Amino acid sequence: IAGITQAPTSQILAAGRRMTLRCTQDMRHNAMYWYRQDLGLGLRLIHYSNTAGTTGKGEVPDGYSVSRANTDDFPLTLASAVPSQTSVYFCASSEQAGSTDTQYFGPGTRLTVL
Amino acid sequence: GQNIDQPTEMTATEGAIVQINCTYQTSGFNGLFWYQQHAGEAPTFLSYNVLDGLEEKGRFSSFLSRSKGYSYLLLKELQMKDSASYLCAVRDSNYQLIWGAGTKLIIKP
Repeated sequence: IAGITQAPTSQILAAGRRMTLRCTQDMRHNAMYWYRQDLGLGLRLIHYSNTAGTTGKGEVPDGYSVSRANTDDFPLTLASAVPSQTSVYFCASSEQAGSTDTQYFGPGTRLTVL
Repeated sequence: GQNIDQPTEMTATEGAIVQINCTYQTSGFNGLFWYQQHAGEAPTFLSYNVLDGLEEKGRFSSFLSRSKGYSYLLLKELQMKDSASYLCAVRDSNYQLIWGAGTKLIIKP
């Protein structure tokens, strides 16, 4: 089934640890995005990638890094996790950036940092 | 700053009609999206408006007025499965989506 997969589904992490959230899509979409969703707030963009080999910073990039080595994969890394990074993380993709294309979301990763 | 406002929570009765409003102030406008998100799940696309007027898709309709910075999502013949959060998002001048906090819709029998 075509779509976006994320791993892990959930994770409890000690503060200071390094963590990589994985995201893979098989729709050959050029653009990919990482959002975090916190109670009472809208989805906030962390980083994005308009095409393989390029990345950009969103609204809340501090403490996170991304890479886009190929079209399908867009991992998000927390170099040294802090409790304020406790959130639900969604990966999304769209056919093209800078267009009216719809964004499609993965199932999310629920991360708790203690 | 950029801002999307929606009611936090609404309650409606099964079989009835409900209108969820969204007002926005953004740097530029390149379309407005509505997504549905069931608890613990990913957002899923419902509708897209870029021109003024009403877009109808079965039981769901979405309206846009760009001059007023206003949209609404209209849900007819409500079913229990419509209990979810409804997210309004505007694509700004940089083609990034700015999201509202969502409206939690509770459907009662």
